[in-house]
Amino acid sequence: SQQGEEDPQALSIQEGENATMNCSYKTSINNLQWYRQNSGRGLVHLILIRSNEREKHSGRLRVTLDTSKKSSSLLITASRAADTASYFCATDTNFNKFYFGSGTKLNVKP
Amino acid sequence: DGGITQSPKYLFRKEGQNVTLSCEQNLNHDAMYWYRQDPGQGLRLIYYSQIVNDFQKGDIAEGYSVSREKKESFPLTVTSAQKNPTAFYLCASKSAGAPSVGSYNEQFFGPGTRLTVL
Repeated sequence: SQQGEEDPQALSIQEGENATMNCSYKTSINNLQWYRQNSGRGLVHLILIRSNEREKHSGRLRVTLDTSKKSSSLLITASRAADTASYFCATDTNFNKFYFGSGTKLNVKP
Repeated sequence: DGGITQSPKYLFRKEGQNVTLSCEQNLNHDAMYWYRQDPGQGLRLIYYSQIVNDFQKGDIAEGYSVSREKKESFPLTVTSAQKNPTAFYLCASKSAGAPSVGSYNEQFFGPGTRLTVL
């Protein structure tokens, strides 16, 4: 299976700290995306990194991609209580079919 | 207001019944998807469609059926053949094909339907 796996499964930090979560996948990809899901809701797209990119920033988000290790990391800096959610990575090989990991559940304590 | 909608938000099904979950989008997207999410788990692909009147099975299509008669609609039927249908169902859409300069390859998700079998 192509499916990505996030690590850790759960992460609990204090407000203001940085949160890092990792994603590993099995086969070559076109791009990798990170999504956020608040409890009981749909997913919201956060950031996309293409296979020929190594790092990307968007506000407090920083994503890295290492295609040689088939892994990606998502860093959320200066976390806030509102960042509490589950975070998923999604990979695709043909731009139209996506594989989601099992997610990292982030809890940011005020 | 552009977006993707799902209805109903909550659905209860008796054993042996078929139920249909609605998904509608006004984003003019060609591709649409149905995912299943079990508690504490990631998303698993049920079916996807890249164009009207065409769709492909995902990883867990057994016990489900879909149709794509209109670009904006992609209903999912959970049949009685699906042995464990209680789950959270998410619909998504995106523009088809490879991302061009300045465009995204992101999926837009609906709010989900929670299906419970009684």
